[in-house]
Amino acid sequence: EAGVAQSPRYKIIEKRQSVAFWCNPISGHATLYWYQQILGQGPKLLIQFQNNGVVDDSQLPKDRFSAERLKGVDSTLKIQPAKLEDSAVYLCASSTVRGRNTEAFFGQGTRLTVV
Amino acid sequence: GNSVTQMEGPVTLSEEAFLTINCTYTATGYPSLFWYVQYPGEGLQLLLKATKADDKGSNKGFEATYRKETTSFHLEKGSVQVSDSAVYFCALPLNQAGTALIFGKGTTLSVSS
Repeated sequence: EAGVAQSPRYKIIEKRQSVAFWCNPISGHATLYWYQQILGQGPKLLIQFQNNGVVDDSQLPKDRFSAERLKGVDSTLKIQPAKLEDSAVYLCASSTVRGRNTEAFFGQGTRLTVV
Repeated sequence: GNSVTQMEGPVTLSEEAFLTINCTYTATGYPSLFWYVQYPGEGLQLLLKATKADDKGSNKGFEATYRKETTSFHLEKGSVQVSDSAVYFCALPLNQAGTALIFGKGTTLSVSS
């Protein structure tokens, strides 16, 4: 079974530029998450989708971050404009159905450096 | 929402040593508890989980027991190997209703031969 695919693996941009990340979840997984992992910290949820609807985006900085999951499969996360503090690894994860014991499967992440 | 506090590292051990990584949490209700591991160059993966009080999760020689009275979920292994070198994260649901997780800061384990 193929895992969660993310691209690109690495991205370096200047502050105030825009950037987009792509995620392809495991086939059949209805739930998709985007997490931000700053160096030395644990992942922090940005947004959760159930199919193509948003379940939780309370921690997404909506003035500069946006995400979509058209057709309930692939997802993109965009930052515009980027700030220095956005330097982090952006992780995509997916899971089957909502439930307290559900395991989430993570991609390898996109490492973003803002200079 | 819920919160988690995890022992900070790095932890440096010799092969075959005993490992404990402490994790405590605050939560509404009785959430499932998880340990995730991140090996060098790889993505996060589930190591073990426990879904109710006194449950013991186990995998690859690692164990953790869900302690409701002390709100803890400490990770242990009796004899670590070099291949266990990784970053370990304790996690639980962000809130009572959801499935998205809140993670501890992570503990880096380095095992030398």
